[in-house]
Amino acid sequence: ETGVTQTPRHLVMGMTNKKSLKCEQHLGHNAMYWYKQSAKKPLELMFVYSLEERVENNSVPSRFSPECPNSSHLFLHLHTLQPEDSALYLCASSQDSSFWNEQYFGPGTRLTVT
Amino acid sequence: SQQGEEDPQALSIQEGENATMNCSYKTSINNLQWYRQNSGRGLVHLILIRSNEREKHSGRLRVTLDTSKKSSSLLITASRAADTASYFCAFYNQGGKLIFGQGTELSVKP
Repeated sequence: ETGVTQTPRHLVMGMTNKKSLKCEQHLGHNAMYWYKQSAKKPLELMFVYSLEERVENNSVPSRFSPECPNSSHLFLHLHTLQPEDSALYLCASSQDSSFWNEQYFGPGTRLTVT
Repeated sequence: SQQGEEDPQALSIQEGENATMNCSYKTSINNLQWYRQNSGRGLVHLILIRSNEREKHSGRLRVTLDTSKKSSSLLITASRAADTASYFCAFYNQGGKLIFGQGTELSVKP
C-alpha cells in the first residue's frame, strides 16, 4: 500500500461541512482515478485524470469537486454532502489511461456523512 | 448493464480446498483483470488476461477466459485462511472505463 496513499483513512462529517480527501502516488504514474464503493454495490468510477487533465467526469454531483495539481497528487473536495454519500472512497493510479494497464489502489477513505 | 456479473456472490470453503469464481460480461474486451480486496481496504491487482489468451497462471491462481461465452473464471488452488477476501473481475468498456463486477466474497475457514 505504500505505492498509493490516502488520507484521512476515516472521516465523519456533517452535511454542512467542507472537507478534502487526499491521494498521493509514488509510482511515477500519469493517470489517477477516484472511485466510490458503497455497500453491496460495484465500484463506481467518479473521475479520471490523465497527465493532470480531467478526462472523465462520470455524472458525479457537483458537491464532489476533484483537483489534480500534479501527476502525483489528487484531491476530492467535499461540500454539502448527503447521508447517501457515505461510502469508501478509493483512489487509484495507472501508468496511463489506456486499456492495458492495471490500476494500483490506495487503502481508501471511509466517509460517514451525518 | 455494462457491469460484470460474478458468481457465486459468496463462497465458503475449508483451508486446502480449491475456490472457483466466475465472471460474465456483455461487451467486447481487450483484456480482463482480477482484483482482490480485503475487508474495507483498497483493491490489489492479481492478474490480467488478454483477449487472445485462454489461460494464465500466477502462483496458486489460474485464470481462464472464453471470449465466445464472454466469461472468465478465477481458480485459487490449495486455499489458505489468508485468501479470505472479496474478488472482483474488471474489464474496460468501449468508452475506456474500467468496469468492475459486484464481487465474490470468499471465506476460507482454517
